[in-house]
Amino acid sequence: DVKVTQSSRYLVKRTGEKVFLECVQDMDHENMFWYRQDPGLGLRLIYFSYDVKMKEKGDIPEGYSVSREKKERFSLILESASTNQTSMYLCASSPSPRQGRSSGANVLTFGAGSRLTVL
Amino acid sequence: AQSVTQLGSHVSVSEGALVLLRCNYSSSVPPYLFWYVQYPNQGLQLLLKYTSAATLVKGINGFEAEFKKSETSFHLTKPSAHMSDAAEYFCAVSDFLFSGGYNKLIFGAGTRLAVHP
Repeated sequence: DVKVTQSSRYLVKRTGEKVFLECVQDMDHENMFWYRQDPGLGLRLIYFSYDVKMKEKGDIPEGYSVSREKKERFSLILESASTNQTSMYLCASSPSPRQGRSSGANVLTFGAGSRLTVL
Repeated sequence: AQSVTQLGSHVSVSEGALVLLRCNYSSSVPPYLFWYVQYPNQGLQLLLKYTSAATLVKGINGFEAEFKKSETSFHLTKPSAHMSDAAEYFCAVSDFLFSGGYNKLIFGAGTRLAVHP
């Protein structure tokens, strides 16, 4: 079964701490994404990556950075956590058309989410 | 830029009643449209997708959606609600960043469906 695993389901951090959220997929997908989910706002894209070591800003990148050193792993980093970063964070992946799986190229597979509370 | 509007942040139906969740989109190019469902404490999973083939799309768990270009809508329906359908539903449109093809999904704000006995 296709899997996207987010290592931490629940985290509580203090203001100013550095936070790492890890995401691993086992489907050999080229594309990986980090979304933030807040009530009434739906999902908003923070960063995405279309290849190893490649990253692109999404709609709300401020206060975040990412790392993709290996194809299967995409990390979200909060350099100095703030209370307004309390949220649910969702990682997702998808194949790209050039991977020859065009029927699934638009379909994102999501992890279960990481709920972060910053005190 | 593409956008999605979901009408109604909360919808409540009786078990066995029709489910109708509304989604309108804005897109300057032919869109790819999706419905995802999120059950409590879980990530999102795909219900169905429209990719310019048939305008009536059938998905999992008895859900279907109809693409209506003239109305820029992609409403989700199910003839008979079940208690297990209680979840949050998200409509999304795909924004292709370049033709090489990695896609970004633009999500609506979500509609929480409650099903009561």
